[in-house]
Amino acid sequence: GENVEQHPSTLSVQEGDSAVIKCTYSDSASNYFPWYKQELGKGPQLIIDIRSNVGEKKDQRIAVTLNKTAKHFSLHITETQPEDSAVYFCAATEGAISGGYNKLIFGAGTRLAVHP
Amino acid sequence: NAGVTQTPKFRVLKTGQSMTLLCAQDMNHEYMYWYRQDPGMGLRLIHYSVGEGTTAKGEVPDGYNVSRLKKQNFLLGLESAAPSQTSVYFCASSFAGVGYTFGSGTRLTVV
Repeated sequence: GENVEQHPSTLSVQEGDSAVIKCTYSDSASNYFPWYKQELGKGPQLIIDIRSNVGEKKDQRIAVTLNKTAKHFSLHITETQPEDSAVYFCAATEGAISGGYNKLIFGAGTRLAVHP
Repeated sequence: NAGVTQTPKFRVLKTGQSMTLLCAQDMNHEYMYWYRQDPGMGLRLIHYSVGEGTTAKGEVPDGYNVSRLKKQNFLLGLESAAPSQTSVYFCASSFAGVGYTFGSGTRLTVV
C-alpha cells in the first residue's frame, strides 16, 4: 500500500520568511496530492491540491510542486504570517482504484510556528 | 449548510463498554471516511465507504465496525472499547475521493 513520509515534523520561522514542507510517497500510481491545515481543536481543512498531470500550482502565498519521477511533492508558503501557525498534513491517493481516488493516505504532519 | 457534523464531541468510556460515533454530511457526497488521529502519527484511515450500503477496511480497522445505511450518515462503532482506542476521531466526506471535507472531531478517552 501507499506510504507517505513528511518532513520536517516541526518548523519554526520568523514572520515574513518562507516555509517549505516536503513529502515523499511510495505508490507510483498515486495521482492526487492535497495539503491540509489543522488549527488547534479543529478538523483538517484543504488548502491546496495538485494532480499528477501538473508540476506546480499556486494560490496567493501558497504553492505546491510535484516531481512524479522522484515521487515527492512540497508545500511552499511565502511571506508567512502568525495566522499560518498550525499543523500541516500532506496526503496521497492509494493508487487509482476503480478508476477513482478512493482514499487518501496522510503524512505524520508538520507543526509550523510563525514568530512575530 | 453545515458540511460534516460529528456527534458526540467528547466521550469518556470504561474499558469494555461500547459506543457509536455518528457522522452526518449534507453535501450529497458519495464517499465517506473515518480516521483516527494520534500524536506523531497523523491521520490513519479506519474504514471508508464509496456509497450507500458499502463499506471497506482502511489501514487500522481492528476493533471497529461501520455502517452506511443512508447516504448522508456514516456510523463508527466500538464494540468493546480498549485504552488503545483513546484518540481523536475524524469523519470526512468527498466527491469521488477529491477535496475531502472533515468534521470537527470526537475526542474519545477509554479508561
